[in-house]
Amino acid sequence: GAGVSQSPSNKVTEKGKDVELRCDPISGHTALYWYRQSLGQGLEFLIYFQGNSAPDKSGLPSDRFSAERTGGSVSTLTIQRTQQEDSAVYLCASSTLAGAHNEQFFGPGTRLTVL
Amino acid sequence: GNSVTQMEGPVTLSEEAFLTINCTYTATGYPSLFWYVQYPGEGLQLLLKATKADDKGSNKGFEATYRKETTSFHLEKGSVQVSDSAVYFCALTPNSGGYQKVTFGTGTKLQVIP
Repeated sequence: GAGVSQSPSNKVTEKGKDVELRCDPISGHTALYWYRQSLGQGLEFLIYFQGNSAPDKSGLPSDRFSAERTGGSVSTLTIQRTQQEDSAVYLCASSTLAGAHNEQFFGPGTRLTVL
Repeated sequence: GNSVTQMEGPVTLSEEAFLTINCTYTATGYPSLFWYVQYPGEGLQLLLKATKADDKGSNKGFEATYRKETTSFHLEKGSVQVSDSAVYFCALTPNSGGYQKVTFGTGTKLQVIP
């Protein structure tokens, strides 16, 4: 079946512009995660959605970052007034709460470059 | 809070060498433990997992044993190949009801040379 998809795969933008990154999780997966991976760095947790519960936004680095998940499926990560330090690969993952040992399925990521 | 500590890379090995990538964790209770792999230019994918103490996860010749007494989940492979060159991430998820936020280590880059 289809995996997690993300769009666009690459995004180049100018400093100060807003960007929207999209994630389509695997159908039926109730949990959705956004991570940021900077060059040569590990995974930085950004936000976590679980069903209809309030999202865990504890990883968002500033108020320029926001995310929403409509209808419990597609999610959009928005970065306002982008800065050069926002350049990174943004990864989305989804999982299902089958038992308590869920595997995360990752999308291919969106590479964001802020000039 | 939960945390995962991995050995720093990069790790450079010759083909057919033995691999160990150390991973230790801090968590309350009995988390599930994972190794994810990220091949060049690709997203992360699950390599193996273990859900309780003394479990051994294995896949593609890689193994890791959940050691509760040492809070460790070291990744091993007896004979690495060039195709194993990738970044490896150790991770945990708490077994605490519906909240399933995953904590990742910083990743260890492995380079295997012919």
